Amino acid sequence: DQQVKQNSPSLSVQEGRISILNCDYTNSMFDYFLWYKKYPAEGPTFLISISSIKDKNEDGRFTVFLNKSAKHLSLHIVPSQPGDSAVYFCAVVQGAQKLVFGQGTRLTINP
Amino acid sequence: DTGVSQDPRHKITKRGQNVTFRCDPISEHNRLYWYRQTLGQGPEFLTYFQNEAQLEKSRLLSDRFSAERPKGSFSTLEIQRTEQGDSAMYLCASSPSAGGETQYFGPGTRLLVL
Repeated sequence: DQQVKQNSPSLSVQEGRISILNCDYTNSMFDYFLWYKKYPAEGPTFLISISSIKDKNEDGRFTVFLNKSAKHLSLHIVPSQPGDSAVYFCAVVQGAQKLVFGQGTRLTINP
Repeated sequence: DTGVSQDPRHKITKRGQNVTFRCDPISEHNRLYWYRQTLGQGPEFLTYFQNEAQLEKSRLLSDRFSAERPKGSFSTLEIQRTEQGDSAMYLCASSPSAGGETQYFGPGTRLLVL
């Protein structure tokens, strides 16, 4: 039973536009959420995180939104750049120790 | 400022052989984690160390798997009698104890069992 779900396996966005990646989780007790970016043959790179006491966190072109009532997390990238093409994973912290990841969304930025 | 390093980056082995992977965490990070990632999936938690103590093991970590962190610095993950189903990317991550929710990953070791 998937505790963290990314329902879109892939997303294609034109360069300069906004990319929106979505993530749903099942357990309302989760209180810390992260987004990672992964290029082929490399480990995940931390992008941005958010605590459950907030509903928005922004870092440059990246903004994460948290809707606790809907148990939904989203990552906005604006403007999208070709170097943003990668697989994006959302993750939650479980038990203050381990990360539980979604299946990932492959983002392709088209010139 | 060096990140998490892993060695080797790639390993091809025959079924039944033993393999060992090494992870060097970011300096002064007390927590160290091992994950496994298979094609089309997100990383899955295997085990976690706080300094030299192994505090949690996933049910994914069968008896053929063993992890150590003897001096609280680097860690090794050994797989005995490898099976084709062990083929995956093995990822190591570390985090500081204080505010340690964010984990920083190494490049991974890709294992192929023939």
